[in-house]
Amino acid sequence: GAVVSQHPSWVICKSGTSVKIECRSLDFQATTMFWYRQFPKKSLMLMATSNEGSKATYEQGVEKDKFLINHASLTLSTLTVTSAHPEDSSFYICSATGWGSRERLYEQYFGPGTRLTVT
Amino acid sequence: GENVEQHPSTLSVQEGDSAVIKCTYSDSASNYFPWYKQELGKRPQLIIDIRSNVGEKKDQRIAVTLNKTAKHFSLHITETQPEDSAVYFCAPYSGTYKYIFGTGTRLKVLA
Repeated sequence: GAVVSQHPSWVICKSGTSVKIECRSLDFQATTMFWYRQFPKKSLMLMATSNEGSKATYEQGVEKDKFLINHASLTLSTLTVTSAHPEDSSFYICSATGWGSRERLYEQYFGPGTRLTVT
Repeated sequence: GENVEQHPSTLSVQEGDSAVIKCTYSDSASNYFPWYKQELGKRPQLIIDIRSNVGEKKDQRIAVTLNKTAKHFSLHITETQPEDSAVYFCAPYSGTYKYIFGTGTRLKVLA
């Protein structure tokens, strides 16, 4: 099946610094990528949807200046958490959908997630 | 916006029994209905999905049924095993390039 990678898998940073998380589709072209955050024992909350070459669409309540999303190519999207604070500590997961011959219509392919801890 | 609810939030069953989890959604334009299994610290894993032109789909011990009129779909697991213990999420596709995850159901299969 289609493979999505995320890097890093975990990161610890100091309060006030910025952190960049990469999401890559390894063997297909991802027309749309999604970013989620998940707090312990909670559901996945959609943060934003990004299409290649256009600005991301953020969900209500998600600060676009704090969570910068760039989808520069059909295989790469990045999420940058700017001026991170302890309350930003969470599990961040990306997913991608594609329209190639192997990818199933509407199916999301998830990255393994990135655990961010802000001290 | 889209509202997705799951019931129950926790479910304990004896090994070998069946488990049923229901997902209710509000967007009548939804046309893709997946169920995911998530283990602690891992990514969601698609276990079964159904599209709006089908009422039921089965894959070995797992089945999904869809009632588009009532706007709900259900996950059925038969002959449960301890390794089925996990958190299960529904995430209907709303047709507006977004998937909204349900609140999750923690399933415990007791040996």
